[in-house]
Amino acid sequence: GNSVTQMEGPVTLSEEAFLTINCTYTATGYPSLFWYVQYPGEGLQLLLKATKADDKGSNKGFEATYRKETTSFHLEKGSVQVSDSAVYFCALTYSSASKIIFGSGTRLSIRP
Amino acid sequence: DAGVIQSPRHEVTEMGQEVTLRCKPISGHDYLFWYRQTMMRGLELLIYFNNNVPIDDSGMPEDRFSAKMPNASFSTLKIQPSEPRDSAVYFCASSPADGKSYNEQFFGPGTRLTVL
Repeated sequence: GNSVTQMEGPVTLSEEAFLTINCTYTATGYPSLFWYVQYPGEGLQLLLKATKADDKGSNKGFEATYRKETTSFHLEKGSVQVSDSAVYFCALTYSSASKIIFGSGTRLSIRP
Repeated sequence: DAGVIQSPRHEVTEMGQEVTLRCKPISGHDYLFWYRQTMMRGLELLIYFNNNVPIDDSGMPEDRFSAKMPNASFSTLKIQPSEPRDSAVYFCASSPADGKSYNEQFFGPGTRLTVL
């Protein structure tokens, strides 16, 4: 079946460090891929998305590229801030479906 | 737009009591989802509705859980009787069916339930 696997956390970095959170997926056909972010005490919100192979989603300095050959959608940011501390979820869906399949989440903590 | 509204934000109850969680989706959204989040199990989809009709309730843990959507602007998730293992944050999310949003879901702030 369809699934999403992301690196386990917690990930702890110093401010201005480079961030990578790995995400791979198992799916048939051509899903759309998402990264959602959950800040403390809040619900999830969409961070970025990519709907076809080689698309790059970007938002708030975060980027992720849809790599079909490696079935990956790794999240990157060049210089993290304390305000980026949150839980990040990789996810996939199909245009013909309504459900989103979420990964287990990766907790990110940024030290000042 | 006010976003997805959930109430209450926090609920503390005793084992055996009935608990009702409420959700108002974003106006015009056709899909409504109920999730549960715990440290041990992560984010779990419990049930979702399309145009007020339950489509998939395979994630509902047991018969103690029930969900209704009497109209397009209101849904409830009920637990009766509640147990300590039901303690979690419950999220409601809604999604439009406009073919443009790639199923993006908009989440409410959640209800933190503690069953003593």
